Amino acid sequence: GNSVTQMEGPVTLSEEAFLTINCTYTATGYPSLFWYVQYPGEGLQLLLKATKADDKGSNKGFEATYRKETTSFHLEKGSVQVSDSAVYFCALSGTSGSRLTFGEGTQLTVNP
Amino acid sequence: EAGVAQSPRYKIIEKRQSVAFWCNPISGHATLYWYQQILGQGPKLLIQFQNNGVVDDSQLPKDRFSAERLKGVDSTLKIQPAKLEDSAVYLCASSLVGSAEKLFFGSGTQLSVL
Repeated sequence: GNSVTQMEGPVTLSEEAFLTINCTYTATGYPSLFWYVQYPGEGLQLLLKATKADDKGSNKGFEATYRKETTSFHLEKGSVQVSDSAVYFCALSGTSGSRLTFGEGTQLTVNP
Repeated sequence: EAGVAQSPRYKIIEKRQSVAFWCNPISGHATLYWYQQILGQGPKLLIQFQNNGVVDDSQLPKDRFSAERLKGVDSTLKIQPAKLEDSAVYLCASSLVGSAEKLFFGSGTQLSVL
């Protein structure tokens, strides 16, 4: 079945540091890939997505590229802010289109 | 546009008791999902509705969990009887067209079973 594996966390960075959160997946066919973010006390929000190989999703300074050859979708940001502190989830939807499979989540803390 | 509404926000019960959660999706959204998020894990789909019909309930523990979506709008998820391992955040989500690319989540109900 489908599965998503995220890097072990939590991650603690200083403001303006470079961020990478690794995500790899196992799926049949050609899944769509997502990053969701969960700020404290709030619901999950879609951060970015990519629907086919080599697509790059981007939003709010975050980027991730759909790499089919390495089955990866790593999240990056060049300069993190304190307001980026949250839990980040990598997810995929399979060929059926609507069911999401999530990774374990990575807690990011950014210190001033 | 109003988001996905869930209540209660928190619930504490003892094992073997019953509990129910309520979800009001975004107006016009035909597809509704319930996810279970155990601490330290990613959300896991419990059940998916399309209007008032069940599309996928393969991961719903049917011996104790039940869900309904009367009239294809609001939904209720029930646990009876609850076990300690049911402690989790229960997330409701909805989408207009049943696509994971346009999914909106509520803030969730945090359940603690003592």
